[in-house]
Amino acid sequence: EVQLVESGGGLVQPGGSLRLSCAASGFTFSSYWMYWVRQAPGKGLVWVSRINSDGYSISYADSVKGRFTISRDNAKNTLYLQINSLRAEDTAVYYCARHYSSGSWDYWGQGTLVTVSS
Amino acid sequence: QSALTQPASVSGSPGQSITISCTGTSSDVGTYNTVSWYQQHPGKAPKLMIYEGSKRPSGVSNRFSGSKSGNTASLTISGLQAEDEADYYCCSYAGSSTLELFGGGTKLTVL
Repeated sequence: EVQLVESGGGLVQPGGSLRLSCAASGFTFSSYWMYWVRQAPGKGLVWVSRINSDGYSISYADSVKGRFTISRDNAKNTLYLQINSLRAEDTAVYYCARHYSSGSWDYWGQGTLVTVSS
Repeated sequence: QSALTQPASVSGSPGQSITISCTGTSSDVGTYNTVSWYQQHPGKAPKLMIYEGSKRPSGVSNRFSGSKSGNTASLTISGLQAEDEADYYCCSYAGSSTLELFGGGTKLTVL
């Protein structure tokens, strides 16, 4: 059974940092592109970052460029998102998702909530 | 690039059919046959319902169907059931610079 389990969210002050993790199981993690998608409270979905199967092709949404860093450890079947210089507008549930085909993701984690507040 | 445009809400009675539209541009929906649709119940993760415009993943009911005309994609749910009440999001690939665009979401209410 495919499982994606995020962790690492929490309450952080503006300007602070967090490292989110997504533990994958039930599939060959190293064969898939992986994404982080976030959802602010009461709002829609927005993709944040993506990484290809070997970690050498990476993209970021303009809103997080320079502050967020995506990475993966295929030996540990884990996806990461380092988020720095946090702002109030980064408050959201962060989901990791397995890329299926262009514009689609077939498995999603349960999400981890990041709250940026003083 | 702007998000794809969806109606904020739609409603229907059990057994009826409803359609949710997703309007983009010639740079995304109109060019790529990659529209996907997601169902999201409150507090839950999104679930893939349709991909590549009209394909259903294994396990998704055939009551859900997708189509496209020009720059507008549509999700149709037939034989509406109470458990279909949820938020629905569309998404389209939008090229190598923008990558993927989501719609703002549509709340489906089953009356």
